[in-house]
Amino acid sequence: EVQLVESGGGLVKPGRSLRLSCTASGFTFGDYVMSWFRQAPGKGLEWVGFIRSKAYGGTTEYAASVKGRFTISRDDSKSIAYLQMNSLKTEDTAVYYCTRRGTDFWSGYDWFDPWGQGTLVTVSS
Amino acid sequence: DIQMTQSPSSLSASVGDRVTLTCRASQSISSYLNWYQQKPGKAPKLLIYAASSLQSGVPSRFSGSGSGTDFTLTISSLQPEDFATYYCQQSYSTPYTFGQGTELEIK
Repeated sequence: EVQLVESGGGLVKPGRSLRLSCTASGFTFGDYVMSWFRQAPGKGLEWVGFIRSKAYGGTTEYAASVKGRFTISRDDSKSIAYLQMNSLKTEDTAVYYCTRRGTDFWSGYDWFDPWGQGTLVTVSS
Repeated sequence: DIQMTQSPSSLSASVGDRVTLTCRASQSISSYLNWYQQKPGKAPKLLIYAASSLQSGVPSRFSGSGSGTDFTLTISSLQPEDFATYYCQQSYSTPYTFGQGTELEIK
């Protein structure tokens, strides 16, 4: 069974840092793009960023709202993706979800499935 | 950034009803459109990818259509477990963006 489990959330003061982990199982982790999304309380879904597989350089892309503050990395030997969050702001308060990006290589279409259960990050003084 | 707009924002319907949800993109996105279902306190679940492809394990009462800028998600006969919030998401270009969601409520 393909499974993603996030951890590392909690209460943190503005300006501080936090690192989230996403532990994967049930598939060849290193073959996939891994992405993070977030959802502020009572709000919609927002893409945070993703990291490509090593075969595609392991490069990253980020939403403008987090670029320069958040960093996504991966450890393929452990099947873990990380989200390092620095200079946290109150508006970063959200449930953070880890997902795997699926791709149809013939058409180029991609999608996100499955999603982890999420981990809550609360930024407050 | 590509803006995604869903309508309606909320919808009341009864078990057995046929419902259609709409999603519009601010520019053409071909068929780079996915639909997700989210229940309170749970993670989103992929229903439809590439505008009309049914994800494995999703009941066949769900279907998607459209291309370019206008897309629909249809549930042919609502079941009690279908009452949830539905989001469309474009995967045409980053930043990936979502519609604001349609909350499907029991009438």
